Amino acid sequence: DTEVTQTPKHLVMGMTNKKSLKCEQHMGHRAMYWYKQKAKKPPELMFVYSYEKLSINESVPSRFSPECPNSSLLNLHLHALQPEDSALYLCASRPELRPYEQYFGPGTRLTVT
Amino acid sequence: TQLLEQSPQFLSIQEGENLTVYCNSSSVFSSLQWYRQEPGEGPVLLVTVVTGGEVKKLKRLTFQFGDARKDSSLHITAAQTGDTGLYLCAGEEYGNKLVFGAGTILRVKS
Repeated sequence: DTEVTQTPKHLVMGMTNKKSLKCEQHMGHRAMYWYKQKAKKPPELMFVYSYEKLSINESVPSRFSPECPNSSLLNLHLHALQPEDSALYLCASRPELRPYEQYFGPGTRLTVT
Repeated sequence: TQLLEQSPQFLSIQEGENLTVYCNSSSVFSSLQWYRQEPGEGPVLLVTVVTGGEVKKLKRLTFQFGDARKDSSLHITAAQTGDTGLYLCAGEEYGNKLVFGAGTILRVKS
């Protein structure tokens, strides 16, 4: 199993809704990442988890709340988002033996109305 | 923060043509990665280059890492429509972070 999975594939939510994005990997990777990507732009780092602990928060607004329940699972809880938060949200993980490589999931396309 | 300058930003070519994408920095990177991304999908890792002067080939794709480990290039021979996508170079920064180039949008026309 060499893949990162993300659900849902697409999500439409209103500005008052609460929703969650889910990411899962079973490659034994102990570093996991959330990125936000706008169309035709490179991914922007949001959060890094290392050994299930938050190690980097790139000054992300509190309406985005990450959670790492275990070494295989990463969640991103969303609340009171703005239309400008609409983007592709990518999860990635990284192997310890090749720390310079990241493996990305297919992303969740989020639309905030 | 280290910066990676990627060029060109856009490239539109005919099938069968060759092309080169460049990734340059004033900083030394321990490694550089190249990713390809199709619309609505996540980036897919193509290759990692680690050693200065290294050349790696992946079918019609040739990747080079500069001797000083500050620059890299991706060369595609005889481009095909299936090569269309966003190409990203990335380098490892401190703290388990990747720094990305701005990306090259490649369109191969039949």
